[in-house]
Amino acid sequence: GAVVSQHPSWVICKSGTSVKIECRSLDFQATTMFWYRQFPKQSLMLMATSNEGSKATYEQGVEKDKFLINHASLTLSTLTVTSAHPEDSSFYICSADSRGQAEAFFGQGTRLTVV
Amino acid sequence: AQRVTQPEKLLSVFKGAPVELKCNYSYSGSPELFWYVQYSRQRLQLLLRHISRESIKGFTADLNKGETSFHLKKPFAQEEDSAMYYCALKRLSVFENNRLAFGKGNQVVVIP
Repeated sequence: GAVVSQHPSWVICKSGTSVKIECRSLDFQATTMFWYRQFPKQSLMLMATSNEGSKATYEQGVEKDKFLINHASLTLSTLTVTSAHPEDSSFYICSADSRGQAEAFFGQGTRLTVV
Repeated sequence: AQRVTQPEKLLSVFKGAPVELKCNYSYSGSPELFWYVQYSRQRLQLLLRHISRESIKGFTADLNKGETSFHLKKPFAQEEDSAMYYCALKRLSVFENNRLAFGKGNQVVVIP
């Protein structure tokens, strides 16, 4: 299947700083990328959907100024957690798909710890 | 609103015993249902989707619109089936993309 890569796999940052997470589709052009958040022993919660070249669509309750999403090319989307706080510590997962593709492909996830 | 319910968080079964993971959904439109699996230290991957009507790794799932269910079944569990299983529903979008709503997941442990 297609490959989606996230970077970094884990990151520790200080409270108040910003962190950028990258999501790349390695062997296909992703017209849409999705960002999820997963708390320990809980399900994936969709945060936002981003289409290449347009603004991201955020799910209810997700602060768009807090979680900045950029999808500038067909192979790269970034999620920036701004002014991170300990409660932002979580596992962030991206997935990508292409119009007409049967399934979305997931990245390996990024473990963010804010201290 | 779309909702996917997986009632049991942890399921322990002996090797060779049948496995059934329950999934119920609520959705006003015509749903597309999936099962995703996440093995230890690996990324989430598609196991099967209802429109394919396939059996993958011995697993099957039938969409029952009357009961709004999409239960996952395997007659004889294997140790390598130990994983997290997520039921997911594809939500219609003007962008025709794979916008998914996930259930909370089932942790399956197969006891040798």
